[in-house]
Amino acid sequence: NAGVTQTPKFRVLKTGQSMTLLCAQDMNHEYMYWYRQDPGMGLRLIHYSVGEGTTAKGEVPDGYNVSRLKKQNFLLGLESAAPSQTSVYFCASSSTRQGASNQPQHFGDGTRLSIL
Amino acid sequence: QKEVEQDPGPLSVPEGAIVSLNCTYSNSAFQYFMWYRQYSRKGPELLMYTYSSGNKEDGRFTAQVDKSSKYIYLFIRDSQPSDSATYLCAMSRILTGGGNKLTFGTGTQLKVEL
Repeated sequence: NAGVTQTPKFRVLKTGQSMTLLCAQDMNHEYMYWYRQDPGMGLRLIHYSVGEGTTAKGEVPDGYNVSRLKKQNFLLGLESAAPSQTSVYFCASSSTRQGASNQPQHFGDGTRLSIL
Repeated sequence: QKEVEQDPGPLSVPEGAIVSLNCTYSNSAFQYFMWYRQYSRKGPELLMYTYSSGNKEDGRFTAQVDKSSKYIYLFIRDSQPSDSATYLCAMSRILTGGGNKLTFGTGTQLKVEL
């Protein structure tokens, strides 16, 4: 059981370039999330999705866009990368078991992104 | 002031020791409390998940929530070198429309020495 899979694992970009980070989960989870992890800041929520075709902003959404065209996939896009977006990006998913929104989140192993 | 405070460590203990980790929080809206373990260059892995005050035990791990003081704790008994990792506390509140938002501590780095 793969769980949450993120691609790529590493990437180096130049300022102004664009790219898309891919997240796939095989647990049939309704909810998916994108976080960034920076030293001394903890993990912070960028965007999230409560179902196919729906997305919402988290606490640090500026400079990012997301799409959830299929239930199992959640894409994070950087349209014009900036050095401040150098970070480790984590995708997570959670279920709605028994209709509850409080199920724990399960994380992928991250994408390490450096922007020069 | 951060909503969740966690001592970053590093904390170094000998093998077999009892480890005590904690976080404090300021937001009474948090409903669920979690501990994640994160190995180097890996994603956070859920260790413990609790709701309301009290203790929850799973093998060598015990999670404790004290809502009156706004502290949560993780105790590790008979610590092993394989427990060496960063431990993240996380607190959850339900989002309008579904899903839940986790607020994380910055993590405590633990090293268990032979």
